[in-house]
Amino acid sequence: EVQLVESGGGLVQPGGSLRLSCAASGFTFSSYEMNWVRQAPGKGLEWVSYISSSGSTIYYADSVKGRFTISRDNAKNSLYLQMNSLRAEDTAVYYCAREAVTTSNFDYWGQGTLVTVSS
Amino acid sequence: QSALTQPASVSGSPGQSITISCTGTSSDVGGYNYVSWYQQHPGKAPKLMIYEVSNRPSGVSNRFSGSKSGNTASLTISGLQAEDEADYYCSSYTSSSTLLYVFGTGTKVTVL
Repeated sequence: EVQLVESGGGLVQPGGSLRLSCAASGFTFSSYEMNWVRQAPGKGLEWVSYISSSGSTIYYADSVKGRFTISRDNAKNSLYLQMNSLRAEDTAVYYCAREAVTTSNFDYWGQGTLVTVSS
Repeated sequence: QSALTQPASVSGSPGQSITISCTGTSSDVGGYNYVSWYQQHPGKAPKLMIYEVSNRPSGVSNRFSGSKSGNTASLTISGLQAEDEADYYCSSYTSSSTLLYVFGTGTKVTVL
């Protein structure tokens, strides 16, 4: 069974940093592209970042470019999101999502981890 | 790059059919057959319902179907059931320089 479990969320002050993790199991993690998607409280979904299966190709939404860094450790079946210079508008539930092979969609999602940026 | 446009809410009675629209541009919905639809119940993670415009993943009811015409994609739920009450989001790959994927604004489906 495919499982994605996020962790690392919490309360952080504006300007602070946080590192999210996503532990994957039930599939060959190193064969899949991965993404982070977020959802502000009561709002819609927003794509945040993408990383290729090898980690060699990375994309970011303009809203987080220069502040967030996506990475992965295929040996540890883990995906990460390093978030720096956090702003109030980064407050959201952050989901890691597996990208289906060749079809550009998100076929499995984690349960999400809440990041709250507030003083 | 703005979000894809969806109606805020759609409602129907049990057994009826409803359709949710998702309007984008030629840079996303109209330019690629990489439109997908997600169902999200309150407090839960999104679930993939349709991919590549009209394909259903294994395990998704055949009451859900998708289509596309020009820059607008649609999700139809036939034989509406109480369990279908949820938020629905469309998504598309985009050639925008600011995004890789764009989501719709979301539609709340209410079963009357």
